[in-house]
Amino acid sequence: AQSVTQPDIHITVSEGASLELRCNYSYGATPYLFWYVQSPGQGLQLLLKYFSGDTLVQGIKGFEAEFKRSQSSFNLRKPSVHWSDAAEHFCAVGPRARNTDKLIFGTGTRLQVFP
Amino acid sequence: EAGVAQSPRYKIIEKRQSVAFWCNPISGHATLYWYQQILGQGPKLLIQFQNNGVVDDSQLPKDRFSAERLKGVDSTLKIQPAKLEDSAVYLCASSLTGVPYEQYFGPGTRLTVT
Repeated sequence: AQSVTQPDIHITVSEGASLELRCNYSYGATPYLFWYVQSPGQGLQLLLKYFSGDTLVQGIKGFEAEFKRSQSSFNLRKPSVHWSDAAEHFCAVGPRARNTDKLIFGTGTRLQVFP
Repeated sequence: EAGVAQSPRYKIIEKRQSVAFWCNPISGHATLYWYQQILGQGPKLLIQFQNNGVVDDSQLPKDRFSAERLKGVDSTLKIQPAKLEDSAVYLCASSLTGVPYEQYFGPGTRLTVT
């Protein structure tokens, strides 16, 4: 069955510290991979995506993610966290198919940032 | 460019009552999605429209949920009758046809069923 696992429900970091949010997926073939952020009362915003090519992808707000096929992982990283990064972060996958763009989301990781 | 609009933002109803949510997508976006996000979970796709036709409604509980997009623009999602487990945030998203995985999300409607 297709699934996305985000093992960390809640992560707390100090402002300026580095960050890594974990994401593992289970899928028949390598899917498209995404990270979204959801601030309180806001809709989801796309941080970055991986379709093909370089396995290290850059996104908005200084985030990056690395696709590791051997580990079925797509971990999100940021070298220096800002207080405004406090939000819910979701990893998602989608099939490489022409007639669908159905996203499957993980359960999310809540990021808390201390000053 | 205006984003995806949703109303109401919050709704509290009693179980067995009916409720409707409205979504107006970004102008020119032919594809529209409704997601259900239960507390502590990621969003789950309920239904996807291409213009006014249904592309995927495999996860829509059709005994109580219905959705329409009559003119291919705005859309309404209805629950009748509501159950306690329907308490969730209902997100609407839209995208341009032919541009997969470029979904723009609205702020959502938070439904509480008591």
